Amino acid sequence: GQQLNQSPQSMFIQEGEDVSMNCTSSSIFNTWLWYKQEPGEGPVLLIALYKAGELTSNGRLTAQFGITRKDSFLNISASIPSDVGIYFCAGQGTSYGKLTFGQGTILTVHP
Amino acid sequence: GAVVSQHPSWVICKSGTSVKIECRSLDFQATTMFWYRQFPKQSLMLMATSNEGSKATYEQGVEKDKFLINHASLTLSTLTVTSAHPEDSSFYICSAPKRTGTNSPLHFGNGTRLTVT
Repeated sequence: GQQLNQSPQSMFIQEGEDVSMNCTSSSIFNTWLWYKQEPGEGPVLLIALYKAGELTSNGRLTAQFGITRKDSFLNISASIPSDVGIYFCAGQGTSYGKLTFGQGTILTVHP
Repeated sequence: GAVVSQHPSWVICKSGTSVKIECRSLDFQATTMFWYRQFPKQSLMLMATSNEGSKATYEQGVEKDKFLINHASLTLSTLTVTSAHPEDSSFYICSAPKRTGTNSPLHFGNGTRLTVT
C-alpha cells in the first residue's frame, strides 16, 4: 500500500527560527494536506494542495505540492511558542477521503 | 470555529460493554464521513467510511461487527464499539468534507479518547 515518509520526526528550535519539514511517498497522490494536532485534540487543517507544483501560503506557513506528485514540504517562518504541536502530512489518492498520513513531526519551540 | 463535533470527548468503560461515539457536521450536510483511529504516539489510520443511507465501507482488518457505524442523517454518524476490550483503547476521530467534490479537504472532529478497563 501507499506509504508516506515524514521527516524530521522531531524538532527543537528557538523562537523566531524558521522550520521546514517534508513528506515523500512511494506513489503519486492527487492531493496533499498538512494538519497540526495538539494533545488530546483532533488534527486541524493548515494547508491543502491540489496541483503539482502548487505553492500555497497561510500566514507564516508555506507548503508546496511537489512536481512529481510524490512529495510535499511545509515551512513555518519566524516560529512562536504556540506553533508547538505535531504536524502531519497527508496524501489523498484516487479514493476520496482515504488519507494516508505521515508519521508526524513533533515541534518544540523554546521561548 | 469547529466544523465537525464529536461526543463524548472521553469515555471510560468496562471490558465487555459497548460504547457509542457521535460525530456531527456543524452547519453543513455530510453524506460521507470518515472514522479514523490513532494509537498513542502513532499516526491516524482510516477505519471506515460512513455513508448516509447505506452501509459503511470498512478498511481491511477492521471488524465491521465490532465497530458498528450508523449514518442516520446528513449531519450525524455514530460509531459503536461493541464488546470493548482493553486493546480497543484508542483515540477515535471522525472527519467530514465541508463541501462536495474531491477537492474538498477533510475537517476532523476533536476526537474521543476511549479507555477500556
